[in-house]
Amino acid sequence: NAGVMQNPRHLVRRRGQEARLRCSPMKGHSHVYWYRQLPEEGLKFMVYLQKENIIDESGMPKERFSAEFPKEGPSILRIQQVVRGDSAAYFCASSPLAGESEQYFGPGTRLTVT
Amino acid sequence: GIQVEQSPPDLILQEGANSTLRCNFSDSVNNLQWFHQNPWGQLINLFYIPSGTKQNGRLSATTVATERYSLLYISSSQTTDSGVYFCAVVGGTSYGKLTFGQGTILTVHP
Repeated sequence: NAGVMQNPRHLVRRRGQEARLRCSPMKGHSHVYWYRQLPEEGLKFMVYLQKENIIDESGMPKERFSAEFPKEGPSILRIQQVVRGDSAAYFCASSPLAGESEQYFGPGTRLTVT
Repeated sequence: GIQVEQSPPDLILQEGANSTLRCNFSDSVNNLQWFHQNPWGQLINLFYIPSGTKQNGRLSATTVATERYSLLYISSSQTTDSGVYFCAVVGGTSYGKLTFGQGTILTVHP
């Protein structure tokens, strides 16, 4: 059973470009979570999605960031008009059941904004 | 929201030594997980332990939910145990949202 998959593993964008990060949950998992790890900081929750629904987006910046988990295909975290402060590791996790069950993490996408 | 504090912040050991890492949390939890972030940045699940005791090889963990703390024990440490250990919880009203502690940086010398 393959684990959580994220791509790309490394992404370099110039300021002002768009970044799209993809996450494929473990087979049978319908709950997806995104977290961000800024340099020298801990991991922070961004958003929790279930198929076609956003359950909790309390950790998402109000502008430029959006997330979706369509009926078919991976979950996408989209960052528009990236700035240097967006440089971070973005982790996706998935779980088989509702929010209290164990979350399994992907390898992360390291975004560098130049 | 819920607060998570880990101690110690840094720990340096010689290979073969034992250690205990602590995680305190400020409210009731529905989920508690321990992770190891290796030097390549990957987050490895160690334990899902909202209550009780579990063991996996040289590692074991205990969560006393009524007293709001969890302990991670590492015995006979190896250099490959080096990295950052995170405790993360889902608070009673935070549906699915893991709140992470600041981590314990463990360095094991040969």
